[in-house]
Amino acid sequence: EPEVTQTPSHQVTQMGQEVILRCVPISNHLYFYWYRQILGQKVEFLVSFYNNEISEKSEIFDDQFSVERPDGSNFTLKIRSTKLEDSAMYFCASSEWGERSPLHFGNGTRLTVT
Amino acid sequence: SQQGEEDPQALSIQEGENATMNCSYKTSINNLQWYRQNSGRGLVHLILIRSNEREKHSGRLRVTLDTSKKSSSLLITASRAADTASYFCATETNTGNQFYFGTGTSLTVIP
Repeated sequence: EPEVTQTPSHQVTQMGQEVILRCVPISNHLYFYWYRQILGQKVEFLVSFYNNEISEKSEIFDDQFSVERPDGSNFTLKIRSTKLEDSAMYFCASSEWGERSPLHFGNGTRLTVT
Repeated sequence: SQQGEEDPQALSIQEGENATMNCSYKTSINNLQWYRQNSGRGLVHLILIRSNEREKHSGRLRVTLDTSKKSSSLLITASRAADTASYFCATETNTGNQFYFGTGTSLTVIP
């Protein structure tokens, strides 16, 4: 069964550094998402992406964050200048047609900011 | 906030018993979905119930939806140790392309 893959599985970075988290969504899916989950807490929506542009974003997704689909397969999340509070699991998800279709998640990237 | 809120936060049962988890939300929805998360892994979609449906079954899973009370329940029958995981409800609003997750119910099934 096709799956969403994320790399790296764990990223350690120093405060103030830029990080790029990578995702390869399922190939025939049209909608892409990033979520994050701080340890033991709720899964928080960051951004959704469709047709090469952001369709929705949350308050968390400020100017420090950006997303890109640089080619036909990758979907990236960039954090420009990381803060300690950015430490979390970051999950990429994709869905076939967005509304009313289930999300397929990757296994996440654990980001640790020191 | 439109996010779903699950209760209880944690549930521990013996293998073979049924597990019931509840979810409440605040705004109108297109549909509600339940997901499962094993420790350290991504979320896996279990079942989707549309806003015009009241009950749905999938194997040992039974989901109900009461839009008047803005609540849903997930019942896992004849639980197994392998059902041990966190369970999340997610609401898709009718205003945008986003899904809101709750804080989850941590289920432990004791063999």
